[in-house]
Amino acid sequence: AQKVTQAQTEISVVEKEDVTLDCVYETRDTTYYLFWYKQPPSGELVFLIRRNSFDEQNEISGRYSWNFQKSTSSFNFTITASQVVDSAVYFCALRPDSNYQLIWGAGTKLIIKP
Amino acid sequence: EAGVTQFPSHSVIEKGQTVTLRCDPISGHDNLYWYRRVMGKEIKFLLHFVKESKQDESGMPNNRFLAERTGGTYSTLKVQPAELEDSGVYFCASSQTEMSEQYFGPGTRLTVT
Repeated sequence: AQKVTQAQTEISVVEKEDVTLDCVYETRDTTYYLFWYKQPPSGELVFLIRRNSFDEQNEISGRYSWNFQKSTSSFNFTITASQVVDSAVYFCALRPDSNYQLIWGAGTKLIIKP
Repeated sequence: EAGVTQFPSHSVIEKGQTVTLRCDPISGHDNLYWYRRVMGKEIKFLLHFVKESKQDESGMPNNRFLAERTGGTYSTLKVQPAELEDSGVYFCASSQTEMSEQYFGPGTRLTVT
């Protein structure tokens, strides 16, 4: 089965707190790609990161960091020192190497309170 | 550089009517994708064009949906006749190659009453 699970439907934290969004995936492909997208209230889907299955190095981009662990089939996303502008729905997605369609998680709505 | 654009941003039609959604990909992107998110469900893949050819249309729900990409530039997605369950947000994305990341448009919110 090819599937992405984002178990957290909604997370609410106070500004400046750190927050981690979980993503667990299933795929039968040995080569695959994982993505995170952000959907702010305006509605567009904003690309954040792509990671391929052979690269398990963690990535940091400013206040954003991603932890990819093949052993647990997880690709978690952490926002450090959260800000109100981080409020959005965040989607994790999988693209197996066997095709080019993205398989999406249900999304996690992140609310950052001032 | 302009991003992916979609028209209209919102469409409200009655059941049985026809609606055509348009997507303009990023210039130079040969790959164009359609996805949709119906209420309360995950975003689902509809189809994938490489230039003007349909590479994968396995996600198209039924024959009421017709996608075209004449000339390999913009694409249209026609729903005829529309049903209530077609309501949702239709996203278009484009990528430079099949392997590269997909960039999305703002979506078209379709409401069928």
